[in-house]
This record gives sequence, C-alpha cells and structure tokens, in this order.
Amino acid sequence: AQSVAQPEDQVNVAEGNPLTVKCTYSVSGNPYLFWYVQYPNRGLQFLLKYITGDNLVKGSYGFEAEFNKSQTSFHLKKPSALVSDSALYFCAVRDLWAGSYQLTFGKGTKLSVIP
Amino acid sequence: ETGVTQTPRHLVMGMTNKKSLKCEQHLGHNAMYWYKQSAKKPLELMFVYSLEERVENNSVPSRFSPECPNSSHLFLHLHTLQPEDSALYLCASSQEGLTSTRDTQYFGPGTRLTVL
Repeated sequence: AQSVAQPEDQVNVAEGNPLTVKCTYSVSGNPYLFWYVQYPNRGLQFLLKYITGDNLVKGSYGFEAEFNKSQTSFHLKKPSALVSDSALYFCAVRDLWAGSYQLTFGKGTKLSVIP
Repeated sequence: ETGVTQTPRHLVMGMTNKKSLKCEQHLGHNAMYWYKQSAKKPLELMFVYSLEERVENNSVPSRFSPECPNSSHLFLHLHTLQPEDSALYLCASSQEGLTSTRDTQYFGPGTRLTVL
C-alpha cells in the first residue's frame, strides 16, 4: 500500500530565509506526487505535482519541489520565505502501479514564517 | 478561488437533526469527491463519484449519504450524527477521475461541521 510521511509537525523559518518542508513516500510502482497548501479556514490549494521527467518541479507562489527516487523523497522548497507563506502544507502520493486513483495524504506540516 | 464552492461554510447540528452539505464545481470536471479532515489526522477520502456514478465508498457509516444529481453538484446528507463526526468536510473535483492517475484534484473551502 502507498503511504506518505511528513516527519515534521511544524517548521519555523525567518522571513527571507530559504524554507524546506520534508516529505517521504512509499509506493509499489512509479509515484505521482503532489503538494497542497491550506490557509486557515480554507480548503486545500494545489501547488505542484511530479509526474515524470525533470526531478525539479516548479509550482505556484515561487515554490518548487525536488523528486529524489533513491531517497524516496519529494521535499518542498522556496528560496526566500514570506510571512504570507505561513500555512499548513500537505504532501500526497498516488501510486500508478497499484491501479488506485486515491490520493494518500500526509498529516501535514505547519509552516510559520517569522517576520 | 479554485472553482469549487461549498455551502454552508459552517454548520452546527444536534445528534437528531438532518442536514445536507452542498458542493458545486464550475470547472467542467467529471469526478467529485468528499473528504473528511479531522484535527491531527490525514485527510480521509469518503466518497468518489465519476460521471455521476458512485465508484468508491471507503467504509463510511450509513449516517452519511452522498448524492450526485449531475456532474456539477454533489451533496452529503447527514442524519443522526455523533460528536466525533465534527470535522471539516472538503469537496473536491477533477477532470478525469478514475481514468487517469495523473489527475489533479481541486478543493472547495470546506464546511466546518460541529455536532452537539
């Protein structure tokens, strides 16, 4: 069965510094990986996804994520954090070989950007 | 906005009430989903509809009853709920649903449900 782990419940970073939100996954075949962001009292907003091809994926709001097959990771990154980036971030995986259309979500990482 | 709307945004109900949550998508998608988001837990997929046909029901109690009258609308009918059902209920839609695992789901803002 597919699974995804976000090892940090919370990440604090100073405004202007680079940020990283970690995600590791486990699948039986080739993975499709997603990042979503959730602002307070809002639904999830799609940021980016990895399908195939380049390991570095660029998404919305200046975010990018690096797919690393050997480490089974898909960490979310941004070169310079903004206070407005403070939110809850979810990593999700869909396993192509399993034939499952379901997205499996991580528990989420709360990002706090400190002015 | 994502093109997926949900009403009401907040709902408080007693355990004996009957209420319904509504979701509408304006994206021309073919699949719609209900998720439950509880504190400290991963999102739980409840139901999936593809082309108005229910294709997934993840062992959800019968006190939750979905309805999909057309590809743009999705309802979740609630009756005799328990306090542990209090959560944020999220609706999502996607273009291809079951036919492609590359599909991206787009979420509504959610309905915050409190069961007293």
